[in-house]
Amino acid sequence: DIVLTQTLLSSPVTLGQPASISCRSSQSLVHRDGNTYLSWLHQRPGQPPRLLIYGISNRFSGVPDRFSGSGAGTDFTLKISRVEAEDVGVYYCMQSTQSTWTFGQGTRLEI
Amino acid sequence: QVQLQQSGPGLVKPSQTLSLTCAISGDSVSRKYAGWNWIRQSPSRGLEWLGRTYYTSKWCNEYAVSVKSRITVDADTSKNQFSLHLNSVTPDDTALYYCARDGGDWHPDSWGQGILVTVSS
Repeated sequence: DIVLTQTLLSSPVTLGQPASISCRSSQSLVHRDGNTYLSWLHQRPGQPPRLLIYGISNRFSGVPDRFSGSGAGTDFTLKISRVEAEDVGVYYCMQSTQSTWTFGQGTRLEI
Repeated sequence: QVQLQQSGPGLVKPSQTLSLTCAISGDSVSRKYAGWNWIRQSPSRGLEWLGRTYYTSKWCNEYAVSVKSRITVDADTSKNQFSLHLNSVTPDDTALYYCARDGGDWHPDSWGQGILVTVSS
């Protein structure tokens, strides 16, 4: 299985300031169809995860534009341009390039 | 808007079968290429994808290697729902279980509310 490893690039996080989370894959996430199936999820306490970003950089419906995704191959980043209080929780990267999906270990965002 | 409503017991005895159901509204379980997934979450394993069912011109299933010998995911088109069956459970299967839809683009865009299943005698 593909292993995804996450790190918080900016700490501590302050309201109104940017934050970045990194996700590194144990192998390239480029599918044979040429697409890269890397997503980001956000989970608040007591709630299921919710999709933020798919296909590296596509914001899911209703996701604020302060969230952006970038990267290629094995290295990916989720950026929050200005952290708001509602952004607290755990962020996960997830790959679906292989049919057996795998998730990163999660990165907790605290303010 | 797709909604997934999970149901099933919160306590299962060791060696028995864990069975959960996910009722779908706003989509059809037999819509071609939509994927209907089961994912669990525990402190020790984090988020772990378990398996999926999906319809192309026939029903197909894919399962995680870690549970492949014990798992079945199936669909009930008459009730528009899908189910997880995990047999021979042990305390290590204690987790929060989620169902999730992949709308055909291979990302989980809708999730059930989650059910905490404890395996204990």
